[in-house]
Amino acid sequence: NAGVMQNPRHLVRRRGQEARLRCSPMKGHSHVYWYRQLPEEGLKFMVYLQKENIIDESGMPKERFSAEFPKEGPSILRIQQVVRGDSAAYFCASSPRDRYYGYTFGSGTRLTVV
Amino acid sequence: SQQGEEDPQALSIQEGENATMNCSYKTSINNLQWYRQNSGRGLVHLILIRSNEREKHSGRLRVTLDTSKKSSSLLITASRAADTASYFCATDAADSWGKLQFGAGTQVVVTP
Repeated sequence: NAGVMQNPRHLVRRRGQEARLRCSPMKGHSHVYWYRQLPEEGLKFMVYLQKENIIDESGMPKERFSAEFPKEGPSILRIQQVVRGDSAAYFCASSPRDRYYGYTFGSGTRLTVV
Repeated sequence: SQQGEEDPQALSIQEGENATMNCSYKTSINNLQWYRQNSGRGLVHLILIRSNEREKHSGRLRVTLDTSKKSSSLLITASRAADTASYFCATDAADSWGKLQFGAGTQVVVTP
């Protein structure tokens, strides 16, 4: 079991470009979550998805950010027209249906906007 | 404001000593979780304690939960240099799913 796989590990984008972050959940996990971590801070919830459904996107910025978890393939967090303030580590987590097993986090994607 | 807030912000101890860190939160929870993060790496799930549990052990880790005070503590016994990391508590709210609320973390440095 390879755990939660995120790629790329590091991503550099120029201001105004698009960033696509991918997350493959653990085998058997049907719930995916995205979090953002700014330097020296804890993680902040962004969005919770199940296959083909956005369950809770209350942590997503209103503009430029979108997330999907298609029937086939990884979950994608997409940031359009990136700005310097988007530079952060983005973590994906997955869980099975039962929340008492906790969440398994990926190693994160570190986005740097130059 | 943050749901989980850790105290202290930083802790420096020597190998063999115990490390204790605390977490306070504000709302009703379903469970509380502790995670470790090594510098520049992902989070590792350490332990989950449910709202109806008071204490839990896992190896050298001991977690307590006091729901009346809305607080939790993480004790690492007989610390090792490899325990050097940031430790985060995260609350899983009773009225929502999947929206973990993290504190800013406690940075622990264990010197040989």
